[in-house]
Amino acid sequence: QVQLVQSGAEVKKPGASVKVSCKASGYTFTGYYMHWVRQAPGQGLEWMGRINPNSGGTNYAQKFQGRVTMTRDTSISTAYMELSRLRSDDTAVYYCARGIGYGDSPRDYWGQGTLVTVSS
Amino acid sequence: QSVLTQPPSASGTPGQRVTISCSGSSSNIGSNTVNWYQQLPGTAPKLLIYSNNQRPSGVPDRFSGSKSGTSASLAISGLQSEDEADYYCAAWDDSLKEVVFGGGTKLTVL
Repeated sequence: QVQLVQSGAEVKKPGASVKVSCKASGYTFTGYYMHWVRQAPGQGLEWMGRINPNSGGTNYAQKFQGRVTMTRDTSISTAYMELSRLRSDDTAVYYCARGIGYGDSPRDYWGQGTLVTVSS
Repeated sequence: QSVLTQPPSASGTPGQRVTISCSGSSSNIGSNTVNWYQQLPGTAPKLLIYSNNQRPSGVPDRFSGSKSGTSASLAISGLQSEDEADYYCAAWDDSLKEVVFGGGTKLTVL
């Protein structure tokens, strides 16, 4: 069965970086986009970007350009999202989610979420 | 401010039919398909409707989606208490080259 399993919760200080992993299983990793979506406490969903695991090509939301880097390791079917220069308002649950086409939003499988807390 | 506009709240009584709207523009809903997600408290979003009106396997046929021009709608018929959740629409935006989400609608079953 398809599963996306994310790394555990993180606590970071302002100005630091965080790297969240998302290990895929049960399907061909390189056949689907991997999106990253975050949700601040009590807020809605916010798209951060996506990676094409086959080519490594990325699209980032304008808001995160210059601060986010999405990578993948096809040998272990894992996608990564690194966010740098963390601020308190980056405190959120970060989700990875599988996607199908270029002009489409995330689809059927989502990770369990990773809570990132930014606090001094 | 979300690029896609949803009402912040909706409500209905058990058995009723409720609809949730999602308004966008020609660069997103007007030219791409819409997906809808249901999020129960403390859980990851779940895909409810894809490609405007398609239900993934396992989603009850009480849930339906439609799209017309630059707007989309999610309808829930035969409302049940377990439908109480947050609902989000999303689409790709050709101008921004980003996925855009609605701000979410909190559905209350009275």
